[in-house]
Amino acid sequence: DQQVKQNSPSLSVQEGRISILNCDYTNSMFDYFLWYKKYPAEGPTFLISISSIKDKNEDGRFTVFLNKSAKHLSLHIVPSQPGDSAVYFCAASTQGGSEKLVFGKGTKLTVNP
Amino acid sequence: DTAVSQTPKYLVTQMGNDKSIKCEQNLGHDTMYWYKQDSKKFLKIMFSYNNKELIINETVPNRFSPKSPDKAHLNLHINSLELGDSAVYFCASSQEGAIYNEQFFGPGTRLTVL
Repeated sequence: DQQVKQNSPSLSVQEGRISILNCDYTNSMFDYFLWYKKYPAEGPTFLISISSIKDKNEDGRFTVFLNKSAKHLSLHIVPSQPGDSAVYFCAASTQGGSEKLVFGKGTKLTVNP
Repeated sequence: DTAVSQTPKYLVTQMGNDKSIKCEQNLGHDTMYWYKQDSKKFLKIMFSYNNKELIINETVPNRFSPKSPDKAHLNLHINSLELGDSAVYFCASSQEGAIYNEQFFGPGTRLTVL
């Protein structure tokens, strides 16, 4: 029962262009959504989050969009930089506080110079 | 300063052995977690502790026993290791009451069972 799905295992973009990473979820009880970035041999690092009462959250080059009716969220990176090359995980939580995160399988982003 | 640290980073052992992985966080967080990333790359919760009390136990074999001596430490002991236990284990921590439940992860421990 994969509650959080990232259907694209990989994505390749040119430096300076937009990267769009997609995530779908099935559990309508999820209230919080987070994106993590992971480099090889390191742990995931928190990138950006959004709550279900919002449809957009922006932090510098990173913007997350949430379409609650479609149970879909996306992470936009613009402009993309080679240092953004990493695996990006979408995660969801039913509430804040100490609740577990449910992760997608990740999308490997490669930004080509 | 390392926020969430794990030791060892790599662990290679034989089937049937018992091993432990240690985790420490210096963020002052109340809650700590263990996640497992298997060969299919899924990152799944195993346990979480809040102020030394177990709050999440996700259908993990009882060969896995977490121990939290204080709220800054959460160790994972695994008895009678099996081939299927080979994975990367991540420790994480978060602050109770954090709105988005941002969790901070350690660098991972790659366990290989031969």
